[in-house]
Amino acid sequence: AQSVTQLDSHVSVSEGTPVLLRCNYSSSYSPSLFWYVQHPNKGLQLLLKYTSAATLVKGINGFEAEFKKSETSFHLTKPSAHMSDAAEYFCVVLGSSGSARQLTFGSGTQLTVLP
Amino acid sequence: DAGVIQSPRHEVTEMGQEVTLRCKPISGHNSLFWYRQTMMRGLELLIYFNNNVPIDDSGMPEDRFSAKMPNASFSTLKIQPSEPRDSAVYFCASSLQGNIQYFGAGTRLSVL
Repeated sequence: AQSVTQLDSHVSVSEGTPVLLRCNYSSSYSPSLFWYVQHPNKGLQLLLKYTSAATLVKGINGFEAEFKKSETSFHLTKPSAHMSDAAEYFCVVLGSSGSARQLTFGSGTQLTVLP
Repeated sequence: DAGVIQSPRHEVTEMGQEVTLRCKPISGHNSLFWYRQTMMRGLELLIYFNNNVPIDDSGMPEDRFSAKMPNASFSTLKIQPSEPRDSAVYFCASSLQGNIQYFGAGTRLSVL
């Protein structure tokens, strides 16, 4: 079985400062990991994915995440926050069940960006 | 590509009424997923289909919920009868060979 733990339910940063959203995973095999973003009253949008290639993954809107097997972490970062980054972010692990593969979602981190 | 299309975007109904949510997956995708999102429980997988066949419906909360996928381009999630506690945002997602899932914009259901 696999799981993800998002360590912070809320993160607040000032515009222009770095963003760090933390995620730890648990998996019995080499996982596929994703970050999704959900803006208010919108669907979920894929930010980036890790699938056992490069450990540093670059996504859209300047976000990136680093897969660290020794720490079982997949933290999401951005050098400089923008007001439009305010949203909820989900760390997700992909697992296998039968003939299809399921996503297991973290509980989400609400990012607030202050002017 | 139009992405995953869900309809309606919003649904308001009275307790006891039948509700049908619709989803059109991305063309060519062979897996389809229904999720429910609430403040209390977050995102929950209700059911998923692979090649139009239901694989796992263990997330379906009760017999009042049913889902069908009559063909590769259409799926429905039905609640009959609906109850206030069914109020949530329901998302549909599709993927190709179980890889990246692409989500629709969701249906916001309010049962009064």
